[in-house]
Order: sequence, then structure tokens, then C-alpha cells
Amino acid sequence: SQQGEEDPQALSIQEGENATMNCSYKTSINNLQWYRQNSGRGLVHLILIRSNEREKHSGRLRVTLDTSKKSSSLLITASRAADTASYFCATGPYNQGGKLIFGQGTELSVKP
Amino acid sequence: SQTIHQWPATLVQPVGSPLSLECTVEGTSNPNLYWYRQAAGRGLQLLFYSVGIGQISSEVPQNLSASRPQDRQFILSSKKLLLSDSGFYLCAWSVGDTAGGYTFGSGTRLTVV
Repeated sequence: SQQGEEDPQALSIQEGENATMNCSYKTSINNLQWYRQNSGRGLVHLILIRSNEREKHSGRLRVTLDTSKKSSSLLITASRAADTASYFCATGPYNQGGKLIFGQGTELSVKP
Repeated sequence: SQTIHQWPATLVQPVGSPLSLECTVEGTSNPNLYWYRQAAGRGLQLLFYSVGIGQISSEVPQNLSASRPQDRQFILSSKKLLLSDSGFYLCAWSVGDTAGGYTFGSGTRLTVV
């Protein structure tokens, strides 16, 4: 079953601009994670935010979490052409051990 | 260091043929292991996960099965492939809860013809 839904499905920006992707989910969670996938490759873990955290930073990435709205956002600042990829949010449902439920992803295209 | 190996990278199989995809993990003990499938342009669908040898949980009823004969080995199988089994299959591992995130293999592109 799909839990997370990303918005937008596709995003095209110019190099240097910021990219914002949103994720909504349905059930209580332990944490929410963001992953990146280059075309035809496996996923790479980017950042994790726990249910008791509201904001987290890692380099050019900023993640926010609003558990009251069951939503999260991923901001990539000063985007580069190399950021072109699909980005997925994944939720760790509460009390379900190590399972992660992934959304449909946002396809980001950064034009040089 | 911890690594995950998944093979083959691509596979073309006729309808009705058997399937065996293997995933092995190095550098960690007692990992949680997962098989996901990704249809073209879509998100990941959890197929199976395992918290220990011989312990398999199935998320989606289908003609696929999984086995974990050793601590760091996870196998995805089918006795007879269907056209709908085509997709990108990804193996992943984690330790404990999801706090450390998943580490994914490089995936197997399966085309059933």
C-alpha cells in the first residue's frame, strides 16, 4: 500500500534556483525519510527526520515535518544540474518495525 | 564497510519461465532485508521483508516468493513468470528500526516477454 504522496510529480527548474518537493502521508509515523534515485539506479538515502523533529538540515537540503498536517517538504537550495533525479519520501509507520512505505516520487530536472 | 550486492543487473525471461534473483549483504550481521518492485515511472512497492533467517513477511499476494537461507542472503523467486512481473526489482537492508535508513542494491531490470 502507498502511504506517501509527493507533489509535484515533476519539477523543472534552472540551475541555481531552489527546488521544493512536498510529501503527504496518512498514518502515524516514527520517522520520514527522503531518498534520491538517478535513472535506472538504486535509491540513495538523503536525510531522515523523526516524528518529534520539525526541521532538519544537511548541506543544501532542508527538510520540514508537520505531523499535525501529516506532511513534509524537501528543499534543495542552489540546485545544480547533477541534482537531476527522482526524489522519494518514505515513511516508517508507527509500531511496524523496519518497514518503509515509499511515495510515487517527484522527478526533478535541473537545466544548466 | 557495509555493501550490498544484487544480480543480475538486467534479465529478459519468457513468460512461464522460473526466476531467481539474489541479494547478499556484507559487513553487517542480522540485517532486515527487503525486496521492492518499481514499475516504470512509479514508486516502490514493498514485496517481502525479513527480520531473520527463515522469517519472511509477504506484503502483496502474487506469484513471487522470497527466501532467506542465510543471515545475509535474500532470494526472490518465481516458478512461472507473468508479463505483469516485469519491472525494476530492488533489494535493501537496514539494521534495527529505520533510523539509519535503507541501503539499496543497484537493482535488477526484469523484462518478461
